[in-house]
Amino acid sequence: EVQLVESGGGLVQPGRSLKLSCLASGFTFSNYGMNWIRQAPGKGLEWVASISSSSSYIYYADTVKGRFTISRDNAKNTLYLQMTSLRSEDTALYYCARRPGSFDYWGQGVMVTVSS
Amino acid sequence: DIQMTQSPASLSASLGETVTIECLASEDIYSNLAWYQQKPGKSPQLLIYDASSLQDGVPSRFSGSESGTQYSLEINSLQSEDAATYFCQQHHDYPPTFGGGTKLELK
Repeated sequence: EVQLVESGGGLVQPGRSLKLSCLASGFTFSNYGMNWIRQAPGKGLEWVASISSSSSYIYYADTVKGRFTISRDNAKNTLYLQMTSLRSEDTALYYCARRPGSFDYWGQGVMVTVSS
Repeated sequence: DIQMTQSPASLSASLGETVTIECLASEDIYSNLAWYQQKPGKSPQLLIYDASSLQDGVPSRFSGSESGTQYSLEINSLQSEDAATYFCQQHHDYPPTFGGGTKLELK
């Protein structure tokens, strides 16, 4: 069974940093591109970043470019999102999702709240 | 960026009815479109990919179609468990973009 479990969220002050993790199981992690997608409270879905299976290709939304870094450790079956210079508008539920294109499996999400 | 205009924003329908949700792409996305269902407090689930291919495990009452840059999700014989918010998403080009969502309520 494919499982994606996010962690690392919480309450953080504006301008500070936070690192999210997504532990994958039930499939060969190193074969799949992975993604972060977020959803602000009561709002729609916003793609954040994608990384290819071998980390050769990385893409970011303009809203996070230069502040967020997506990475992965295939030996640990883990996807990461390093978030710096956080803003109030980054407050959202962050999901990791499998596969480039149409996202076939999603984690349960981890909440990030940016507030003083 | 490719804009996805989804309509309606909300709709109410009765059990057993058929409903259609639409997404209009701002340019040709060559069938690179997915539909997701999200229930309250849950993560989105993939229903349809490549505009009309049914994801494994999804009931056959869900179907997708396209006409030019207009994409449609049809749900036949509505069941109570279909009450949810539905999103379209294009993956023809980066950044992947989502429609604004359609909240489906059952009468």
